[in-house]
Amino acid sequence: ILNVEQSPQSLHVQEGDSTNFTCSFPSSNFYALHWYRWETAKSPEALFVMTLNGDEKKKGRISATLNTKEGYSYLYIKGSQPEDSATYLCGEGAQKLVFGQGTRLTINP
Amino acid sequence: ETGVTQTPRHLVMGMTNKKSLKCEQHLGHNAMYWYKQSAKKPLELMFVYSLEERVENNSVPSRFSPECPNSSHLFLHLHTLQPEDSALYLCASSQDGGSNYGYTFGSGTRLTVV
Repeated sequence: ILNVEQSPQSLHVQEGDSTNFTCSFPSSNFYALHWYRWETAKSPEALFVMTLNGDEKKKGRISATLNTKEGYSYLYIKGSQPEDSATYLCGEGAQKLVFGQGTRLTINP
Repeated sequence: ETGVTQTPRHLVMGMTNKKSLKCEQHLGHNAMYWYKQSAKKPLELMFVYSLEERVENNSVPSRFSPECPNSSHLFLHLHTLQPEDSALYLCASSQDGGSNYGYTFGSGTRLTVV
């Protein structure tokens, strides 16, 4: 993997369901993996920064895991709510973050 | 407000105009960034300033000229732009590369070149 890639590109989930999506990144020269939530007409907001293989972080109903050896991170949302609708970005790097294209999540009430 | 303020929010400019985008942060961060978001593309890094020195210029055309007069302010000077430069320009700041708390982004300037 040469770039940061996110899948799926878009996702529709029923309110109350749980969901997850993936960020893949080059496993060589890894420094840090960032997740951001970007709501329409707002600024991207940092969710997690992870640096160690096996890291797991949690904020409320959202959690993330990191596997630096195989070059992927998962973001999980438990019990989706309408306010979770946003684009979720991941970025990898040190002083110059390289971002994926994002996963656009829509929660259907 | 995130603590990173960008002005203007929207800008329409002709190809022969000269304009500047402004970014301001009072978070005490020591690095600032310009990113470009074009339609259906990932965020693209343009410039990085760390401790007021430019440490990254990501093959950006010379019609984009950054300036970082102090640790709180970052400008992007624009001249003779092309219609394909129309995009959302995001400024961000971080402390020590963002490895603890990530980047703090502004709301962006939506630029349209006509």
